[in-house]
Amino acid sequence: DVKVTQSSRYLVKRTGEKVFLECVQDMDHENMFWYRQDPGLGLRLIYFSYDVKMKEKGDIPEGYSVSREKKERFSLILESASTNQTSMYLCASWSPVLGYTEAFFGQGTRLTVV
Amino acid sequence: AQSVTQLDSQVPVFEEAPVELRCNYSSSVSVYLFWYVQYPNQGLQLLLKYLSGSTLVKGINGFEAEFNKSQTSFHLRKPSVHISDTAEYFCAAMDSNYQLIWGAGTKLIIKP
Repeated sequence: DVKVTQSSRYLVKRTGEKVFLECVQDMDHENMFWYRQDPGLGLRLIYFSYDVKMKEKGDIPEGYSVSREKKERFSLILESASTNQTSMYLCASWSPVLGYTEAFFGQGTRLTVV
Repeated sequence: AQSVTQLDSQVPVFEEAPVELRCNYSSSVSVYLFWYVQYPNQGLQLLLKYLSGSTLVKGINGFEAEFNKSQTSFHLRKPSVHISDTAEYFCAAMDSNYQLIWGAGTKLIIKP
């Protein structure tokens, strides 16, 4: 069974802390994504990566960075957490091979910054 | 601009009644279209997808969607909903760069 695993379901961090959100997939997918989900705004793309050590900014990259040192792992970093980064964070992976095109999602990490 | 529009933020419906969740996409996106479901406190999972072929696509849990190119729509339907269908439903389209463009989501609320 395919899996995308996010390291934490719930996190509470203080303003100014450096926060790491980890995501691991076991499907050998090239593409991995980090989304932020807020009520009424749907999914907004923060960063994505289409290969190891490659990264591309999404729609809302400010205040975030990412790391992809291995194909299976894609980390989201909040350099200095702020209260407006309180949100649900979703990691996804997929392969762009047509016919097999499906994004697989992790369970999500609900981050609260206090 | 590339966009996917879900016209309703919430759809209340009685149990065992039919439901339609509406999705329209801009003509500038590709016609690879998807519906995902998110149950409370879960990630998203694929309900169904349209890549080519028959315009009527059947998915899991009794859902189906119809691709209508002339109306640029991909509405999701179920003939009889159950309380377990309570979730948020997202429509998405894939652009030419293999990126997914998401709608804002529709919450399906089942009334007993």
